[in-house]
Amino acid sequence: AQSVTQLGSHVSVSEGALVLLRCNYSSSVPPYLFWYVQYPNQGLQLLLKYTSAATLVKGINGFEAEFKKSETSFHLTKPSAHMSDAAEYFCAVRRSGGSYIPTFGRGTSLIVHP
Amino acid sequence: EPEVTQTPSHQVTQMGQEVILRCVPISNHLYFYWYRQILGQKVEFLVSFYNNEISEKSEIFDDQFSVERPDGSNFTLKIRSTKLEDSAMYFCASSERGTMNTGELFFGEGSRLTVL
Repeated sequence: AQSVTQLGSHVSVSEGALVLLRCNYSSSVPPYLFWYVQYPNQGLQLLLKYTSAATLVKGINGFEAEFKKSETSFHLTKPSAHMSDAAEYFCAVRRSGGSYIPTFGRGTSLIVHP
Repeated sequence: EPEVTQTPSHQVTQMGQEVILRCVPISNHLYFYWYRQILGQKVEFLVSFYNNEISEKSEIFDDQFSVERPDGSNFTLKIRSTKLEDSAMYFCASSERGTMNTGELFFGEGSRLTVL
């Protein structure tokens, strides 16, 4: 079964510092990978997605992620954290080869200090 | 901006009781989904629904769960006889496209279910 593992339930950074949220995947089919974000009191929303095109994917709000097959990773980065980036971030992989429904990880809470 | 709305935001129920969670998907979306997240655990897929029938479901979605689109706007999740382990945040989502969708689901804020 396809799955993702997010390393670290909480990540704390200072405003202006690099954000790195880690995600490793396991998939028996070519993976389609996603990052979703959930701001307080809101639903999850798509940040970016990898669907077998360019390995470096750019998303909204300055985030990007790089697909590395050799490392089975899809880490999310942002060069400079902003206070408004504080949220829960979810990595996901599609459920199966015939499905594009995402299967999510546990989530990583990003805390941004002034 | 169109959004998915869920009611109630929080429901407390006694074990064994039936619960119905309601969702209003985005109006031009055709595919609907339920997920749940038990506290501290992964967001788990339950079921997807299209054209008035279940298109995919997970092993979690057993006979105690059912989904329905009773009218043109609502999408409901019914849990027939709740158990303590059903306590979770339940998320509804919708999308314009289904099997060709590349992952952009639009989620509601969630309904927190507490079973006592």
